[in-house]
Amino acid sequence: ESVLTQSPGTLSLSPGERATLSCRASQTISNRFLAWYQQKPGQAPRLLIYGASNRATAIPDRFSGSGSGTDFTLTISRLEPEDFAVYYCQQYANSLTFGGGTKVEIK
Amino acid sequence: EVQLVQSGAEVKKPGESLKISCKGSGYSFISYWIGWVRQMPGKGPEWMGIIYPADSDTRYSPSFQGQVTISADKSISTAYLQWSSLKASDTAMYYCVRRVTGYNYFDYWGQGALVTVSS
Repeated sequence: ESVLTQSPGTLSLSPGERATLSCRASQTISNRFLAWYQQKPGQAPRLLIYGASNRATAIPDRFSGSGSGTDFTLTISRLEPEDFAVYYCQQYANSLTFGGGTKVEIK
Repeated sequence: EVQLVQSGAEVKKPGESLKISCKGSGYSFISYWIGWVRQMPGKGPEWMGIIYPADSDTRYSPSFQGQVTISADKSISTAYLQWSSLKASDTAMYYCVRRVTGYNYFDYWGQGALVTVSS
C-alpha cells in the first residue's frame, strides 16, 4: 500500500497567485492512478482531478494536474477566493490511500 | 442529479451499537459500488470498505475489517455502515462515496455524518 506525503502542509498565498501542491508516493503509482480532491470547511471533499491530469466534470481550467511515477503536482494557476481550502491526493493503483492534505490559506 | 444523502449526526456512548445510512438517487443505484470513508478531525480521509448493491459483494480495508459492517438494501437504494460496539476512537465524520466504474476513486460524496462517542 502506497503512503502519500503531501507538501507543504500549509501554503499561504494571495488571490491571483499561483499555487503548486506536491504529492509524493512511497511506491510508483502505476498508470498515473492518482486523484486530487478539494475540501472546504464543513463540506465533503470534491473530486478535482483523476488519472493525474484529467479534470473532473465542471472543474475550472485553472486547476491542472501533472506528474508520474512517485511525484505528482496540483497547480492552481491563479487563485480565486473560493479556492482557499484543503487539498488531498489519493492513489488508486494499489488498493487506495489518501494523503494528509495541504491547506491553501489566504496570506 | 446524482445525490447521496446520509442520515444525521449521532451521539453515542462507548459499547453502544449504531447503523448509519446513505441513500442514493439520480442514478442506477445497483450499477455503482458505494464506499465508506472515515475522516477524523484535522486528518486526511481513510477508506473503510465498499459494497456493490446489486449483489452485496463487499470488500473491506484491512484496517477496518472486523471493526464495522457494510451492507445495502437495493430495494430502497440505501447503503449502511454499522458498529456493534462503539469506541471513543470511532468519533469521526463518515462519508459515503460513489466509486467510478472500473477505478477506485470517487466522483460523488454524501454530505457526511458526524459520529461522536463519549461517556
